[in-house]
Amino acid sequence: QVQLVQSGAEVKKPGASVKVSCKASDYTFSRSSIGWVRQAPGQGLEWMGWISGYTGNTNYEQKLQGRVTMTTDTSTSTAYMELRSLRSDDTAVYYCGRAIAASGLYYFDYWGQGTLVTVSS
Amino acid sequence: QSVLTQPPSASGTPGQRVTISCSGSSSNIGSNTVNWYQQLPGAAPKLLIYSNNQRPSGVPDRFSGSKSGTSASLAISGLQSEDEADYYCAAWDDSLNAYVFGTGTKVTVL
Repeated sequence: QVQLVQSGAEVKKPGASVKVSCKASDYTFSRSSIGWVRQAPGQGLEWMGWISGYTGNTNYEQKLQGRVTMTTDTSTSTAYMELRSLRSDDTAVYYCGRAIAASGLYYFDYWGQGTLVTVSS
Repeated sequence: QSVLTQPPSASGTPGQRVTISCSGSSSNIGSNTVNWYQQLPGAAPKLLIYSNNQRPSGVPDRFSGSKSGTSASLAISGLQSEDEADYYCAAWDDSLNAYVFGTGTKVTVL
């Protein structure tokens, strides 16, 4: 059974950075992409971007360009999402998901448990 | 501001059929496949329907999806109490070069 296990909750001050990890298991990590989705308190889902486990190529949501970096470590089957220059409106639960993003198909078929990132002075 | 519009709420009694709509445009639903996610209270989203009408293994056949033009629908037949959740449609948007989610619909079982 595919599993994605994320790192624990974080509390950060405005202007700081946060790096969330997502460790995958029970599938070939390099054959899929990993995407990130966030959900502000009481709000809907917002796609942040994804990274190919095979090529390392990334596709970021335009408004996050310059503040977000997604990386992978194939040796440990772990994906990372770093968000910089944090603001209060970055407070959200951050989810990783195994992403199908090829040949006209785009969706997340497995999800991590979520990581709460709180930005507060 | 989501580009996929869903009704904020839907409800039904146990056993009834509930339908949720998702309205988009030619750059998203009109040219790409639609997916649906279920999010139970306090939980991570779960893939319910992919590629317009395909159910992943383990998803009951009470859930079905359809697409026509720039709109899509999710139907839940034989509504059960455990179906009480938020439901989101999603699709790739060629103009935004982004994966976009719908505004979400909260389903209540009366």
